[in-house]
Amino acid sequence: GDSVTQMEGPVTLSEEAFLTINCTYTATGYPSLFWYVQYPGEGLQLLLKATKADDKGSNKGFEATYRKETTSFHLEKGSVQVSDSAVYFCALSALNTGRRALTFGSGTRLQVQP
Amino acid sequence: EAGVAQSPRYKIIEKRQSVAFWCNPISGHATLYWYQQILGQGPKLLIQFQNNGVVDDSQLPKDRFSAERLKGVDSTLKIQPAKLEDSAVYLCASSLEEKLFFGSGTQLSVL
Repeated sequence: GDSVTQMEGPVTLSEEAFLTINCTYTATGYPSLFWYVQYPGEGLQLLLKATKADDKGSNKGFEATYRKETTSFHLEKGSVQVSDSAVYFCALSALNTGRRALTFGSGTRLQVQP
Repeated sequence: EAGVAQSPRYKIIEKRQSVAFWCNPISGHATLYWYQQILGQGPKLLIQFQNNGVVDDSQLPKDRFSAERLKGVDSTLKIQPAKLEDSAVYLCASSLEEKLFFGSGTQLSVL
């Protein structure tokens, strides 16, 4: 079945540091890939997405590129802020199977220190 | 626009008791999902509705969990009887196309 594997956290960085959170996936066909973010006390929110190979999703300074050859969708940001502290979830959606439901990774907690 | 509404926000019950959660999706969203998020894990799909029909309930423990979506709008998820391992946040989400919108969830503690 479909699955998503994320690097374990927590990831602790200083403000303005470079961020990478690794994500790899297993799926049949050609899934769409997503990053969701969960800020403290809030619900899950879509951060960015990519729907086909080599697409780059971007939002709020975060970027991720759909790499079919390595089945990866790593999240990056050049300079993190304290306000980026949250839990980040990588997910996929296998639309080609008719199921729009998301399969999530286990999440990576990011802590940014001033 | 209004988001996905869920209630209650918190629920504490003893094992073997019953509990129900309610979800009101975003108006016009045909697809509704219930996810279970155990502490430290990612959300896991329990059931997916398209209007008032079930699309996928393969991961729903049907011996104790049930869900319905009356008239293709609101939905309820019930657990009867609850077990300790059901302690989790229960998330409802709705979608129009590919983008899912999540509610804030119901945090269930089974003692």
